[in-house]
Amino acid sequence: DTEVTQTPKHLVMGMTNKKSLKCEQHMGHRAMYWYKQKAKKPPELMFVYSYEKLSINESVPSRFSPECPNSSLLNLHLHALQPEDSALYLCASSQEAGELFFGEGSRLTVL
Amino acid sequence: LAKTTQPISMDSYEGQEVNITCSHNNIATNDYITWYQQFPSQGPRFIIQGYKTKVTNEVASLFIPADRKSSTLSLPRVSLSDTAVYYCLVTGGFKTIFGAGTRLFVKA
Repeated sequence: DTEVTQTPKHLVMGMTNKKSLKCEQHMGHRAMYWYKQKAKKPPELMFVYSYEKLSINESVPSRFSPECPNSSLLNLHLHALQPEDSALYLCASSQEAGELFFGEGSRLTVL
Repeated sequence: LAKTTQPISMDSYEGQEVNITCSHNNIATNDYITWYQQFPSQGPRFIIQGYKTKVTNEVASLFIPADRKSSTLSLPRVSLSDTAVYYCLVTGGFKTIFGAGTRLFVKA
């Protein structure tokens, strides 16, 4: 299994809602990543978990809260988002610091 | 992390070889050069990675000169389906940062 699965594929939420994005991999990778990508821009690194511990936070606003319940799962909890947070959110995993395997992304729209 | 610079866009025709060059003047000794491909509304996909000289796999070749301050991704005989954005990254550790990328448009 060489897939990274992200759910939901599409999410529409209001600025007062609380929602979560989920990511799962079964490749035994020990590092998992969240990226944010706006249209026609490169992916921007948000968070990195290594061995289930947060190792990198790229100064992301606290309205984004990552969680790594176990080595196969990565969540991104969303609360009080702004319309400018609308983007494609990409999850990736890697074995140590090697090749990244990306999911198809979750397209988020904040109204 | 070393900053990467690559052309914003390139055009090619089907069947041609495409070479995309990336400069990374401040690459560190332990860094690798990695290339990803991305189609619209999909996650990036790993193409190739190298440290020095030449690396070849079933889809591309990567040429890295001795000083490692640049690299060239070579795509042999491109097809329409190779139209995508290609990202050059300098990778060392978990902090994997994407540069602006090169938009390759392959024409019939």
